[in-house]
Amino acid sequence: GAVVSQHPSRVICKSGTSVKIECRSLDFQATTMFWYRQFPKQSLMLMATSNEGSKATYEQGVEKDKFLINHASLTLSTLTVTSAHPEDSSFYICSAVQGRESPLHFGNGTRLTVT
Amino acid sequence: AQSVTQLGSHVSVSEGALVLLRCNYSSSVPPYLFWYVQYPNQGLQLLLKYTTGATLVKGINGFEAEFKKSETSFHLTKPSAHMSDAAEYFCAVSGNTGGGNKLTFGTGTQLKVEL
Repeated sequence: GAVVSQHPSRVICKSGTSVKIECRSLDFQATTMFWYRQFPKQSLMLMATSNEGSKATYEQGVEKDKFLINHASLTLSTLTVTSAHPEDSSFYICSAVQGRESPLHFGNGTRLTVT
Repeated sequence: AQSVTQLGSHVSVSEGALVLLRCNYSSSVPPYLFWYVQYPNQGLQLLLKYTTGATLVKGINGFEAEFKKSETSFHLTKPSAHMSDAAEYFCAVSGNTGGGNKLTFGTGTQLKVEL
């Protein structure tokens, strides 16, 4: 089945630094990738939609200059949390889809802790 | 616009008992409905989905759900709970199949299975 690999699974960083999270589709080409944020005991909140070769579309309230998304190829999208602060600590999950009628495939998430 | 309401943030059942997780949706277009399961610190795994056709949908691990348009519901059931079913379950809705449109998730239901 389709596999989405997300790396790293856990990361701890100091306040003010930047962190990059990678989302790769291992055995299919992902025309669209989605980035979500999940707070403890809460649902997934969509942050942005990323289409290969174009700028990401951010949801209302998500700072695009803080959460930089790059979808440089059909198998890789990256989320960079810039100048991280403790309130950015969260569980970040990506998902990828091959085509409009295809199902979503989720990565295993990245636990970000900012100290 | 779509929205999902999951009644009961926590459900506890005995091993071998019926599992019933409730989901009601709101959608301005014909909905496509999904149930996902999430284990701790992992991404989401698709259990089942309804697009069109048969309203009773069977998924993996013995789960099934029935789309009831008149009740705007898509409740998830399993006849006999197993300890391995303990996890977080999310109902989601979109206005299209797969990932062509964004998914809107419910707030989740934590299922606990007791001996």
